[in-house]
Amino acid sequence: NAGVTQTPKFRILKIGQSMTLQCTQDMNHNYMYWYRQDPGMGLKLIYYSVGAGITDKGEVPNGYNVSRSTTEDFPLRLELAAPSQTSVYFCASRREETVYEQYFGPGTRLTVT
Amino acid sequence: AQSVTQPDIHITVSEGASLELRCNYSYGATPYLFWYVQSPGQGLQLLLKYFSGDTLVQGIKGFEAEFKRSQSSFNLRKPSVHWSDAAEYFCAVRTTGTASKLTFGTGTRLQVTL
Repeated sequence: NAGVTQTPKFRILKIGQSMTLQCTQDMNHNYMYWYRQDPGMGLKLIYYSVGAGITDKGEVPNGYNVSRSTTEDFPLRLELAAPSQTSVYFCASRREETVYEQYFGPGTRLTVT
Repeated sequence: AQSVTQPDIHITVSEGASLELRCNYSYGATPYLFWYVQSPGQGLQLLLKYFSGDTLVQGIKGFEAEFKRSQSSFNLRKPSVHWSDAAEYFCAVRTTGTASKLTFGTGTRLQVTL
């Protein structure tokens, strides 16, 4: 199994541009999460999903959108990129019946200039 | 609201020395606690977890952690550190409510000197 995969690994955006960060998991996990990691700040939850068709906001959702049309995919959309969105983005997933541990992808490093 | 505090931003130890990374949590009931490790340029990997039962839990890579309710702590330990343990370590607590989200501490960066 590949686990949780994320693309791209790196991206540089200009202010005002848009992009989609892709996240796919092949473990048939119901729950999926998007985090951002800023230096010295730990991980902050952006959005999460408890299953296909169901999404909800986390701590820092402003400037982002998500969709969950399939169990496997959970893309994160940035509209009108801003320098404050420069960060490392991690996708994670977990099975509903396990004891809450999450499995993380390798991350996407995004720079907005 | 649930929270975790990692008071040490950066720790340096010599290879072969023992290690203890501190984690304090704030939670009303029995918490579900986790330690994750992040190697440079990598995602997070679960080291160990505590839900109930034995307060000393064993994890991967020779790590262990002890849950102490009286001190609201869940410190991570390793008897002998290897150079490959250099990484960032995150403590996390499961939050209540839907989706059982995780709240992470700010992390402790471990440097290992040879």
